[in-house]
Amino acid sequence: KNEVEQSPQNLTAQEGEFITINCSYSVGISALHWLQQHPGGGIVSLFMLSSGKKKHGRLIATINIQEKHSSLHITASHPRDSAVYICAALSGGGADGLTFGKGTHLIIQP
Amino acid sequence: DAGVIQSPRHEVTEMGQEVTLRCKPISGHNSLFWYRQTMMRGLELLIYFNNNVPIDDSGMPEDRFSAKMPNASFSTLKIQPSEPRDSAVYFCASLAGSAHNEQFFGPGTRLTVL
Repeated sequence: KNEVEQSPQNLTAQEGEFITINCSYSVGISALHWLQQHPGGGIVSLFMLSSGKKKHGRLIATINIQEKHSSLHITASHPRDSAVYICAALSGGGADGLTFGKGTHLIIQP
Repeated sequence: DAGVIQSPRHEVTEMGQEVTLRCKPISGHNSLFWYRQTMMRGLELLIYFNNNVPIDDSGMPEDRFSAKMPNASFSTLKIQPSEPRDSAVYFCASLAGSAHNEQFFGPGTRLTVL
C-alpha cells in the first residue's frame, strides 16, 4: 500500500509570498493528483501529472518520479488561495490505486 | 453542465436508521467514485464504477455499506444500519476516459449519525 505524506500540515503566510507544499510517496506511481478543497468543502482538481512540470496561472506542480516526490507552488499568493491542498497518488493503471495525503491547510493573510 | 450532483447535501439521522446518498455524474463520464472524508482519516476511496460496473469495492468499510449504479446517470451509496462512526462527508466524483484524466467532484453530503 502506498504511503502518501504531505508537508507542512499547516502553513500560514503573508499575501504575496511564494508557497511550496510537498508530497512524497513510498511506492512507484503512474500519476499524481493535486486537489484543492475550499473552506466551504468543495473539492477541485488542480493538476494530474506523471512527469515534469505543469503550470496553470499562479500554480505550478512538479514531480520527480525517481525521488518519489512532488511539489505544488503558488506564486504571488493571495488570501483567496487559502484552502486545503491534497495530493493523491495513482498507482498502476486503475483509479482504485488512488491514495490520498492528509492535506496541507494553507492560510494566506492580507 | 451542472457538474456532479449529490443529494442530500446534509443528512442527520439516528443510529440504526438506513441512509441513502445519491449521485448524478456528469453526462458522458464513464467512471464514478465514492469517497469518504473524516478528520481522522482524510479522504478515502470507498468504491468506483467503470461503465456502471463496480470495479473495486475493497475500500467499503463493512457489509453495512453498499453501492449501486443502475445506469450511467445515477448511483447510490447506502448504509444500513447506520452508526455514529459513519459520520463524515461523502463525496462522489466522475471522470471521462483514462484514470489519468481530471476527476470532477460533487459538493458532498455531510452525514451525521446521532
